[in-house]
Amino acid sequence: DAGITQSPRHKVTETGTPVTLRCHQTENHRYMYWYRQDPGHGLRLIHYSYGVKDTDKGEVSDGYSVSRSKTEDFLLTLESATSSQTSVYFCAIRTSGSYEQYFGPGTRLTVT
Amino acid sequence: AQSVSQHNHHVILSEAASLELGCNYSYGGTVNLFWYVQYPGQHLQLLLKYFSGDPLVKGIKGFEAEFIKSKFSFNLRKPSVQWSDTAEYFCAVNSGGSNYKLTFGKGTLLTVNP
Repeated sequence: DAGITQSPRHKVTETGTPVTLRCHQTENHRYMYWYRQDPGHGLRLIHYSYGVKDTDKGEVSDGYSVSRSKTEDFLLTLESATSSQTSVYFCAIRTSGSYEQYFGPGTRLTVT
Repeated sequence: AQSVSQHNHHVILSEAASLELGCNYSYGGTVNLFWYVQYPGQHLQLLLKYFSGDPLVKGIKGFEAEFIKSKFSFNLRKPSVQWSDTAEYFCAVNSGGSNYKLTFGKGTLLTVNP
């Protein structure tokens, strides 16, 4: 499972509140990614990181920010949650010397 | 921007039937191709991958895929499906130079009836 954990696993929050999701890895991988999964859309990249303090936007980054202050943690923040951000969020890592990504267990977020 | 198309939204088969799921991508250069599987309530797992070499690649659980460069396709196959193959299948493409980002298709839900 590539040593990836996500927290929380489930969260219900109200519109307008800030939310932070955490992705933690134990194997010192350089690249980390945040995706959202929605029915009929597959997985879409929100943000990614290619090192400590090095991050960039994906295709659906509006309304999200990220931070990576240490190698093992990649945080995704919804500054002011909206109902359109109700989704399942997956974190992924890329192992060195390969192109594939391995995924964490996901966080189901509901914004009411 | 590259894109990935999966032709079938939902496929329903009986056990022992053969499976082929279509995947086409838009990028014309060197690509790395993947199929992921997501069993109900679980995260994505890598099923198989193609980087270079033999265009017919074999993955876990009896799945295989064929890369046809001229058709920009990477179709997934299995000669005889089982009830336990019920899952959603995602094709993904990485064009190499873009920080290893993956572009996913929208997924194909496979239902196998016993």
